[in-house]
Amino acid sequence: EAQVTQNPRYLITVTGKKLTVTCSQNMNHEYMSWYRQDPGLGLRQIYYSMNVEVTDKGDVPEGYKVSRKEKRNFPLILESPSPNQTSLYFCASSLQGADTQYFGPGTRLTVL
Amino acid sequence: AQRVTQPEKLLSVFKGAPVELKCNYSYSGSPELFWYVQYSRQRLQLLLRHISRESIKGFTADLNKGETSFHLKKPFAQEEDSAMYYCALSRTSGSRLTFGEGTQLTVNP
Repeated sequence: EAQVTQNPRYLITVTGKKLTVTCSQNMNHEYMSWYRQDPGLGLRQIYYSMNVEVTDKGDVPEGYKVSRKEKRNFPLILESPSPNQTSLYFCASSLQGADTQYFGPGTRLTVL
Repeated sequence: AQRVTQPEKLLSVFKGAPVELKCNYSYSGSPELFWYVQYSRQRLQLLLRHISRESIKGFTADLNKGETSFHLKKPFAQEEDSAMYYCALSRTSGSRLTFGEGTQLTVNP
């Protein structure tokens, strides 16, 4: 089944403890991106990747890192999480460019 | 800079009534515009995009470049239309994607 998967789905952590949220797609899509969803603010793009080894900042990149070593994977890394990064995170992919996005199920992160 | 505004956070209508979800954008170039929908406990999914000019689930949206708007319309709302709706914009060259704040639509019986 063609899909985008994210892990973990739920995560509670403490301030400063490094974490990684994985994202994987099996559709051979070139474009992948990460968003955070906050009430009243909608979805905001964190980082995106046009292809392997090509990443760029979205609207809210501070405090986040990404890498794209393989076409199918696009992990989101929080080196030192803070409470203001408590949010619902979505990974998405598309065939190329910011075309029709296929979203993952979301990861709910709580930073205490 | 590109920006998308959805002025209504909440919208409530009765079943069978017309519904319009507003979307305004600012972008100096030629944009690509999308509507995404998130039903309860489901993933975000594409509803429609302006270049396809098709009607999905009875919804249509027309790009008005003069008013920089891309409002979503349906003549007769159904209860199953209750969901969160997001308007989104990307450049035609396709890199960054900007979403609006979202409108929670509730269709009452």
